[in-house]
Amino acid sequence: AQKVTQAQTEISVVEKEDVTLDCVYETRDTTYYLFWYKQPPSGELVFLIRRNSFDEQNEISGRYSWNFQKSTSSFNFTITASQVVDSAVYFCALSEPPNDYKLSFGAGTTVTVRA
Amino acid sequence: EAGVTQFPSHSVIEKGQTVTLRCDPISGHDNLYWYRRVMGKEIKFLLHFVKESKQDESGMPNNRFLAERTGGTYSTLKVQPAELEDSGVYFCASSLTRGGVRGYTFGSGTRLTVV
Repeated sequence: AQKVTQAQTEISVVEKEDVTLDCVYETRDTTYYLFWYKQPPSGELVFLIRRNSFDEQNEISGRYSWNFQKSTSSFNFTITASQVVDSAVYFCALSEPPNDYKLSFGAGTTVTVRA
Repeated sequence: EAGVTQFPSHSVIEKGQTVTLRCDPISGHDNLYWYRRVMGKEIKFLLHFVKESKQDESGMPNNRFLAERTGGTYSTLKVQPAELEDSGVYFCASSLTRGGVRGYTFGSGTRLTVV
């Protein structure tokens, strides 16, 4: 069964627009970890954030922000004032104890930022 | 510090041939992971090493896949004989601690095409 759903396959925006990527997860555990990774055209997966299930505070890092809502099992990611360099595939992932080293990835959302 | 290095970056082989993928983790990272993304599908976990020991190989698709990590440094993933459905991108990741408190560092992947 799909544990992480990223319903948006592709999003295209014009530079400076905000873009929000949805991530819905499924787990029966009370302890779990959520991740976001960015895959730029160069191919590597770049770690963006790791959040544990007990920390529901939203987080902001520069133009990036994350909204964690346990009530809706969502961990959405917003890029504010998007730039061309934000063009990439973004993956949301979940890990659950005891195998918390094992990531379950969503299908990814391709973001294209046009100048 | 140097990142996770994978080579080759691309490999095209014929069905029935053997291919060996290599991953050099970040120096000092005892934990090493292999993942793969088959065309159009999610990135899936293959296995986890702690030093030279396989901790979890539950994601290995079948016995045509053999992973090794002799000496606890670099790792190889051999596919023998390769089948068409093995085509995809194979990612390697490493982390200092199990569970990746600071996230996992991924390589750029090896794109394998079996024709």
